[in-house]
Amino acid sequence: GAVVSQHPSWVICKSGTSVKIECRSLDFQATTMFWYRQFPKQSLMLMATSNEGSKATYEQGVEKDKFLINHASLTLSTLTVTSAHPEDSSFYICSAPTPRLAGQEQFFGPGTRLTVL
Amino acid sequence: RKEVEQDPGPFNVPEGATVAFNCTYSNSASQSFFWYRQDCRKEPKLLMSVYSSGNEDGRFTAQLNRASQYISLLIRDSKLSDSATYLCVVGLYSTLTFGKGTMLLVSP
Repeated sequence: GAVVSQHPSWVICKSGTSVKIECRSLDFQATTMFWYRQFPKQSLMLMATSNEGSKATYEQGVEKDKFLINHASLTLSTLTVTSAHPEDSSFYICSAPTPRLAGQEQFFGPGTRLTVL
Repeated sequence: RKEVEQDPGPFNVPEGATVAFNCTYSNSASQSFFWYRQDCRKEPKLLMSVYSSGNEDGRFTAQLNRASQYISLLIRDSKLSDSATYLCVVGLYSTLTFGKGTMLLVSP
């Protein structure tokens, strides 16, 4: 099946720093990727839809200036958490839709656990 | 009303038991339906898609009732390795909405 990778798998940073998370589709092209956030014991919440070559679409309540998304190529999307604060500590997961025409399954990256001190 | 609601957990069952998960969704326009499995501190992985005709994959059976906006997952002869959180997921176009998940704990 299709593979999505994320880097880093975990990161600990000081409050006020910026953190970049990369999401790559390894064996297929993804014009669209999705970024989710999951707090402990909560469901995955869609943050934004990353579109190759155009601006990302953010969900209501997600600050676009704080969570910068860049989808510069068909295999790479990046999420930058700017001026991170402890409340941004969470599990960030990206996904890409199946490259097959049928179905709407998404393949998920392994996630990035962010801890802001 | 939450978009996707699942049974609150956790479900504690012995090996070999049959366990059923229920899920309801609020958007009648939803187009696709899935069960994902998420292990602790890991990403979700697709368990199976759900169709109106119902589908079965080994010990797992999923059902969809569009009229009632209800989705179910049945696990027969549960194994220790089935312990995980099961996520009910509903799709509309390319957007997925996740339920909060129901944790299953299978004990020896």
